[in-house]
Amino acid sequence: GQQLNQSPQSMFIQEGEDVSMNCTSSSIFNTWLWYKQDPGEGPVLLIALYKAGELTSNGRLTAQFGITRKDSFLNISASIPSDVGIYFCAGRHNLGTASKLTFGTGTRLQVTL
Amino acid sequence: SAVISQKPSRDICQRGTSLTIQCQVDSQVTMMFWYRQQPGQSLTLIATANQGSEATYESGFVIDKFPISRPNLTFSTLTVSNMSPEDSSIYLCSAAGGDTQYFGPGTRLTVL
Repeated sequence: GQQLNQSPQSMFIQEGEDVSMNCTSSSIFNTWLWYKQDPGEGPVLLIALYKAGELTSNGRLTAQFGITRKDSFLNISASIPSDVGIYFCAGRHNLGTASKLTFGTGTRLQVTL
Repeated sequence: SAVISQKPSRDICQRGTSLTIQCQVDSQVTMMFWYRQQPGQSLTLIATANQGSEATYESGFVIDKFPISRPNLTFSTLTVSNMSPEDSSIYLCSAAGGDTQYFGPGTRLTVL
């Protein structure tokens, strides 16, 4: 099935640095969701975006729904060791839950002290 | 938000056998889904579990291999049938509530 392109694929950063990752698609989405997955766990929802241009924050996390509706980015400020994990974007074509999520390829984040 | 539990959390099985994974959601949800996540990969949708009727399968997944039940709004099962080592994966239950979607902790399956 279709997957969204996420970049970077992986990143190694030092504690305290800011992180930026993005997700692009060839088709338009009406909803963007960002998840974090820790080893041995299921994905946990971080931020949900429902409107083109929307900028939403959750603590140190900020995500934006691209104006073209074909991309989204996630920023993490002042990274800490517990930010380690895999971050997935996911897009949905229709509002509501009737349609399926398409997942990105994932960004693996490693934080060094 | 919805809290989702899965049983078992992990299992090691012999090839040719079947395993049924249970998923329980703590509130009534409109949609339930089953995903597979192979090692180091993203999530792939297996099927949408429909309450009281046959599940809707994605391309590449069939009912004979992955029978699914959803007897009510909060419970679903996925069976992995006639397993082979290629079925070794994490199987994730998911539930959609409102405009968001939540995931269970996953079942890590190893087939020998």
